[in-house]
Amino acid sequence: RKEVEQDPGPFNVPEGATVAFNCTYSNSASQSFFWYRQDCRKEPKLLMSVYSSGNEDGRFTAQLNRASQYISLLIRDSKLSDSATYLCVVNGPFTDKLIFGTGTRLQVFP
Amino acid sequence: DTAVSQTPKYLVTQMGNDKSIKCEQNLGHDTMYWYKQDSKKFLKIMFSYNNKELIINETVPNRFSPKSPDKAHLNLHINSLELGDSAVYFCASSQVPGGKNIQYFGAGTRLSVL
Repeated sequence: RKEVEQDPGPFNVPEGATVAFNCTYSNSASQSFFWYRQDCRKEPKLLMSVYSSGNEDGRFTAQLNRASQYISLLIRDSKLSDSATYLCVVNGPFTDKLIFGTGTRLQVFP
Repeated sequence: DTAVSQTPKYLVTQMGNDKSIKCEQNLGHDTMYWYKQDSKKFLKIMFSYNNKELIINETVPNRFSPKSPDKAHLNLHINSLELGDSAVYFCASSQVPGGKNIQYFGAGTRLSVL
């Protein structure tokens, strides 16, 4: 089983749609969780951290379910500029090592 | 001002050659990393250094040798390049320990081995 698993997509959605991505992780002792965004031929950039209580940043909402080892990202009112690959990232326990999922590709069309 | 900068951006070379990639960060972070992103876009850590000390050393061929002259620099030297080394190599930095492990990435070096 992969340490961090994501549906690779692609998710093709129209502008204004709501889209949700899911991710599961295998190590229950993992400590920190993030969503990164990677545009084509660019470096990954932090989108948001993920907290157990759930957190929101504008149109983006992240949720963590530790019992199910499941992380989600919801994007509301999709924009063309949201087209990118979204990487689910987990910080392993007792280490500074980040483990990246393979990413979910989102394509927003007009 | 670029926070994490790596050079060169592109590197095309023949099999068997030796090459280096340089990385510098001006964020004042204590920890720096090297990642490899292969053709399937899977991003995997190779090494991390904290204040010039090697912390993470994943299963990487010993043809790859990181060098950290100071905490703001982490270079990657690759000997006897092979076709399978073709990938994008990303440098990153973060303020750990003592902070949340949010990593900032350089723009990447696209290595093509012919």
